[in-house]
Amino acid sequence: DAMVIQNPRYQVTQFGKPVTLSCSQTLNHNVMYWYQQKSSQAPKLLFHYYDKDFNNEADTPDNFQSRRPNTSFCFLDIRSPGLGDAAMYLCATSREEADGYTFGSGTRLTVV
Amino acid sequence: AQKITQTQPGMFVQEKEAVTLDCTYDTSDPSYGLFWYKQPSSGEMIFLIYQGSYDQQNATEGRYSLNFQKARKSANLVISASQLGDSAMYFCAMTSSNDYKLSFGAGTTVTVRA
Repeated sequence: DAMVIQNPRYQVTQFGKPVTLSCSQTLNHNVMYWYQQKSSQAPKLLFHYYDKDFNNEADTPDNFQSRRPNTSFCFLDIRSPGLGDAAMYLCATSREEADGYTFGSGTRLTVV
Repeated sequence: AQKITQTQPGMFVQEKEAVTLDCTYDTSDPSYGLFWYKQPSSGEMIFLIYQGSYDQQNATEGRYSLNFQKARKSANLVISASQLGDSAMYFCAMTSSNDYKLSFGAGTTVTVRA
């Protein structure tokens, strides 16, 4: 089945140690999004790719970076994770028309 | 800019009863889409139902229906015959013709009691 896959499902990283979260899709959607969701809060958009064009939200910290080497894959890099970066990270895709979003199952990041 | 408001932080509902989750929105775009998502404790975001701004009829998907009142800018979700598995966080969200990024409301936690 076509879907959005996030790996790993759970990630534990040390304070200050770089970590990469991955997302892949088989839907051939041209837009891919990364959301951060802290406990009991709404998801917050960090950035998105429209094809190869990177779009950063104004309040996304510089500590967060992203790469999209091809249509299928998108990575979230956290250069120096702090305790405040512990959250669920959700990847989503959509067509340009944006009448359907597909979410991955998320990666729950713990910083120790 | 588009804005979604969910005023109910949490709700309790008895099993087999119906529950209505409130959602109001604000946008200046004439064309927009409204979504409801369910997020259980496992964390995945599950799409429930979609309503387009030009749709004449309210959307329905099984036990889910969307009460769309365009003039009042509201898009309430009705869950009929609640089940224990409906206990989750529910998010209202929207996109518009000028902003295809999905914007979320604060969410409502629903707890179904046996």
